Order: sequence, then C-alpha cells, then structure tokens
Amino acid sequence: GAVVSQHPSWVICKSGTSVKIECRSLDFQATTMFWYRQFPKQSLMLMATSNEGSKATYEQGVEKDKFLINHASLTLSTLTVTSAHPEDSSFYICSARGGLSGEKLFFGSGTQLSVL
Amino acid sequence: DAKTTQPTSMDCAEGRAANLPCNHSTISGNEYVYWYRQIHSQGPQYIIHGLKNNETNEMASLIITEDRKSSTLILPHATLRDTAVYYCIVRVGGGGSNYKLTFGKGTLLTVNP
Repeated sequence: GAVVSQHPSWVICKSGTSVKIECRSLDFQATTMFWYRQFPKQSLMLMATSNEGSKATYEQGVEKDKFLINHASLTLSTLTVTSAHPEDSSFYICSARGGLSGEKLFFGSGTQLSVL
Repeated sequence: DAKTTQPTSMDCAEGRAANLPCNHSTISGNEYVYWYRQIHSQGPQYIIHGLKNNETNEMASLIITEDRKSSTLILPHATLRDTAVYYCIVRVGGGGSNYKLTFGKGTLLTVNP
C-alpha cells in the first residue's frame, strides 16, 4: 500500500518554542493531506485539511495562527506548532488520500510532542 | 457523515476468528463503511471498506447487512499482533473534494494467547 512518512517520531521542546512536523507521501502524489491530534486514551481529532497550493481548512476550535500548515508540493505537508505550551503536548498524525480514486486514507506513524 | 456505535472492548483467543460489530443505523445510500485500526502509539492503518456487498482482502472480511444498518469486520485467524483499536467509520464514498474521516472511539480488541 501507499506509504506516508512522518518526521520526527517524537520531539521534546521548551515552552514558547516552535516545532515543525513533516509529512511526506513517498510513492504517490497527495493533493490533500489531513492533520489529526490524539490525546492519551482518546480518539483522533481532525485538526485541518491541507490542499496543495492553497490555504488549509481548519476545523472548528483549532487556532490557525497557532497550528501553521503548509502544503507546498504534492508530496509534502508541514505542521508547525508555534509558541508551544504544555497543553499542546499530544500525538500528532498526518494522513494523505490515496488509492485509485482517492478513496483511501493512509496515515503517517505519528509524532509525539512533549512541551516542557 | 453517519454516526457509528461500536463496543468499547472485545477479547479474542489467538488463532480464532475475531468478529467486530458496528452499528450505523442512520447510514445514507451513498455512504461507505470503512474500517481502520490503530496499534498503540502508531498511525491508523486502512483495513477494508465497502458499500453494500461483502468485501474480502488479505487482511479481513467485511460483512454488511442487507439493510446496511450494521456491519461486521472479521479477522479470520487473529494473532497477537492484531491487538489494536478498531474504528468503524461511515462516509460519502469516492475521492470527492469533501472527503473527510471522522473517528469515533472504536473497539479495543485484545487478542489473548
């Protein structure tokens, strides 16, 4: 199946700093990528939909100025957590549409962010 | 997208078939049933999807009732590595521009030796 690579796997940062997470589709072009967040023992929550070459669409309650999404190419989307605080500590997961008609969603391995 | 209801947890013996139920009584005619699973601390993995016919692939089988109000994911010979949270999701099918997957709480399947 299609491969989505996410980097880094985990990151620890100080409060107030910014962290960038990369998501790459390795063997297919992804016009649409999605970013999810997952807190411990909870389900995945969709944060935003990222379309190549255009602005991301954020879900209600997600601060677009805090979670900057860039999708500059068909194989790369980035999520930058700006001025991170301890409450931003979470498991962040990216995904990309694939399959013959884009009907499947393939996920990265996730990034565990810990903000001290 | 239609809501789904799944049991919180299930147990299965290694080597036996695991049957995971999902209720989606408000499903619309153009909504597909998707199944994903998430092993601890990893990203979700696509398993299978279907509209109304039963589907089978190398991982699992999907049985959808005739009225499409419920479905069952079958792992024919569960192994310890199948221990994961299984998510049943219904959504409008195809690659349309409004594609979005909304995850519920899923079923934690524990495969026991």
